[in-house]
Amino acid sequence: SQTIHQWPATLVQPVGSPLSLECTVEGTSNPNLYWYRQAAGRGLQLLFYSIGIDQISSEVPQNLSASRPQDRQFILSSKKLLLSDSGFYLCAWSVRRDPSYEQYFGPGTRLTVT
Amino acid sequence: AQSVAQPEDQVNVAEGNPLTVKCTYSVSGNPYLFWYVQYPNRGLQFLLKYITGDNLVKGSYGFEAEFNKSQTSFHLKKPSALVSDSALYFCAVRVYNQGGKLIFGQGTELSVKP
Repeated sequence: SQTIHQWPATLVQPVGSPLSLECTVEGTSNPNLYWYRQAAGRGLQLLFYSIGIDQISSEVPQNLSASRPQDRQFILSSKKLLLSDSGFYLCAWSVRRDPSYEQYFGPGTRLTVT
Repeated sequence: AQSVAQPEDQVNVAEGNPLTVKCTYSVSGNPYLFWYVQYPNRGLQFLLKYITGDNLVKGSYGFEAEFNKSQTSFHLKKPSALVSDSALYFCAVRVYNQGGKLIFGQGTELSVKP
């Protein structure tokens, strides 16, 4: 069966510090991968999605970036965190080339920027 | 442009009563529709989806959803609510031909009281 991991689970970082959040998927190959941010416990904002290695689309301009160094690994980064980067970050995957398949979400990372 | 609306921020139901969480959508072409549930500080869990076929879709935990093309709605229902159903519910629609992207509604907080 497929599983998706995110780490760390929680993170407290000062403003201006760098960020690296990691997401890995097991039990599948060639997945679509997604990064979301959820602020104030409500709406989900899609940040990045990837249909393959080195194929990453950015949904909103911001100081975050994403990379996919391996097929089942998706990394969210920042060089300098802002207070507004605080939130709950969720990674998800779906089966490639099959739009009927749902997305499966990881457990999330709670980021607090102080 | 494709969109999803959840008109109620919160729904309150007594345990044992039926519940409905509303969702309307706007898409070009045939809609692929999804419902997810989120418990506090957790990732989203898939409940059910509509791709094609019967308008009444059955999903996890006794939930079902009714697809209504003329009203462009996809309401989530359960005949008898449980206190443990209390959570945040998200409706989503697939974006055509964009890497399996989903557009999520803003979420509806369901509160089931004993």
